[in-house]
Amino acid sequence: GDSVTQMEGPVTLSEEAFLTINCTYTATGYPSLFWYVQYPGEGLQLLLKATKADDKGSNKGFEATYRKETTSFHLEKGSVQVSDSAVYFCALSLNSGGYQKVTFGIGTKLQVIP
Amino acid sequence: NAGVTQTPKFQVLKTGQSMTLQCAQDMNHEYMSWYRQDPGMGLRLIHYSVGAGITDQGEVPNGYNVSRSTTEDFPLRLLSAAPSQTSVYFCASRLQGGPEAFFGQGTRLTVV
Repeated sequence: GDSVTQMEGPVTLSEEAFLTINCTYTATGYPSLFWYVQYPGEGLQLLLKATKADDKGSNKGFEATYRKETTSFHLEKGSVQVSDSAVYFCALSLNSGGYQKVTFGIGTKLQVIP
Repeated sequence: NAGVTQTPKFQVLKTGQSMTLQCAQDMNHEYMSWYRQDPGMGLRLIHYSVGAGITDQGEVPNGYNVSRSTTEDFPLRLLSAAPSQTSVYFCASRLQGGPEAFFGQGTRLTVV
């Protein structure tokens, strides 16, 4: 079946460090790819998305590029802030029986220290 | 426009008790779903609905019931709570053909 693989963490970085969170996927079709962010005590919010190969999603300084050849969608940010501390979920969406089936990774916890 | 609203935010139950977690959305989304979030397990799909009157099981449906009598509401029922159901529960909705999901704030349930 479809699956998304990402490290659980926690990933601990100092403020202004470079961030990479790896995400790879396995899918039977041609999925759309997403990163969601969950701040403490809140629900998930869509951070960015990409719907076809070589698309780059970006938002709030975060970027991820849809790499079909490596089945990856790694999340990057050039300079993290304490306010970026959260759990980040990679997800894919595929059409299944007429509706979009969404599969989430386990989530990567990011801790940014001043 | 409130988005997806879940109630309650916190709940403590005794083993064997029943309760209903409420979820409502005001975006006229056809698709609604319930997830549970556990450490090291990520989000696991419990039940989902593709429209009023239509529900189906997800990955971990045992111990939970759902119904969808209106487009707006999708309650999750625990008929006889067990400690294994201690978790954070999220309701989500989206358009039928749209991949982006909108999540509620979650319900933290503890079963003692």
